[in-house]
Amino acid sequence: GAVVSQHPSWVICKSGTSVKIECRSLDFQATTMFWYRQFPKQSLMLMATSNEGSKATYEQGVEKDKFLINHASLTLSTLTVTSAHPEDSSFYICSAKRNTEAFFGQGTRLTVV
Amino acid sequence: GQQLNQSPQSMFIQEGEDVSMNCTSSSIFNTWLWYKQDPGEGPVLLIALYKAGELTSNGRLTAQFGITRKDSFLNISASIPSDVGIYFCAGQKYGGATNKLIFGTGTLLAVQP
Repeated sequence: GAVVSQHPSWVICKSGTSVKIECRSLDFQATTMFWYRQFPKQSLMLMATSNEGSKATYEQGVEKDKFLINHASLTLSTLTVTSAHPEDSSFYICSAKRNTEAFFGQGTRLTVV
Repeated sequence: GQQLNQSPQSMFIQEGEDVSMNCTSSSIFNTWLWYKQDPGEGPVLLIALYKAGELTSNGRLTAQFGITRKDSFLNISASIPSDVGIYFCAGQKYGGATNKLIFGTGTLLAVQP
């Protein structure tokens, strides 16, 4: 199956700093990627849709200036959590679509201290 | 954000037992998907359903797309310890540029050897 890779798998950062998470489609090109956030014992909540070469589409309630998304190539989307705070600590997961199927990355555990 | 209603929330069963879980929505979906998520990992696709009434199997797993297109169920037969994890349903609507997935609330499955 198609492979989607996220980096890093986990990160700890200080409050007020910014963190960048990468999502790569390793064996296919993805014009659309999705970013999700998952709090403990909860489901995946879509944050935004990342479109190659254009601006991301954010879900209601997600601050676009805080969660910066860049989809500069057909195999890479990045999510930057700016001025991170402890409440941003969560599991962030990306997915990329190949044809009609979505493939998920392994997730990034962000802990803000 | 929108979520699908999934039940049961958790199940604790003995190895060898059959398992059934379902997902309901107030709106129609064109595709129903079932995923399994292990701790600290991204979801992995188990079964995809594309037509109302469709019944699809993948080994010990069987899933059906409800006739009304507002529900789906997943059955696991003869459970084994490695079936442990969180199972999510997801619905997808066509139309628009993104075809984003809406996830269910999840079912935690524990299997006692």
